[in-house]
Amino acid sequence: DQQVKQNSPSLSVQEGRISILNCDYTNSMFDYFLWYKKYPAEGPTFLISISSIKDKNEDGRFTVFLNKSAKHLSLHIVPSQPGDSAVYFCAASGQTSGSRLTFGEGTQLTVNP
Amino acid sequence: GAVVSQHPSRVICKSGTSVKIECRSLDFQATTMFWYRQFPKQSLMLMATSNEGSKATYEQGVEKDKFLINHASLTLSTLTVTSAHPEDSSFYICSAPRGFSGSTDTQYFGPGTRLTVL
Repeated sequence: DQQVKQNSPSLSVQEGRISILNCDYTNSMFDYFLWYKKYPAEGPTFLISISSIKDKNEDGRFTVFLNKSAKHLSLHIVPSQPGDSAVYFCAASGQTSGSRLTFGEGTQLTVNP
Repeated sequence: GAVVSQHPSRVICKSGTSVKIECRSLDFQATTMFWYRQFPKQSLMLMATSNEGSKATYEQGVEKDKFLINHASLTLSTLTVTSAHPEDSSFYICSAPRGFSGSTDTQYFGPGTRLTVL
């Protein structure tokens, strides 16, 4: 049972344009969502998070949007840079799971110069 | 800078041997740490939750006798892959939540350990 899903295994965008990565979840107990970036043979790096009491959180070029009614969140990167090319994981946690994270499958983002 | 370290970063061993992987939180204490494994082009799979001072909690399908976890201190958790076989070859990653809020703590990940069993 995949409780966090990233339906797009890959995304390719042009440098300078917007990258939009999507994530859906099914567990209504999730109340905290995070995005991680991962390069090959490295551990994930925390990017940005959002609590369920908010619908938007922005940090520089990264913005996360949360639509609770649709159980959907998205990560916007603008402007996209070649260095953003990596695998992006969406993750979620909830009150009943403590700090235990449930990850999506990941989306490979490629930003072309 | 890195807040969670792992050692070794890469290990190659013969089938049947045991391998120990260390995970350390560098400037904070972690009563809980998590161990994941990742196969190529797949998501991170949570293997177990390491609890300081008590037994680890294993996810369904993970053999606790094969993947021994010891959380001996507030900054160190170890994962020992016992009697490793080629199918255990994978990328093992640990993480530690930093904070006091529980579900809203940010988790920091180690750099990972690439295990290759010949």
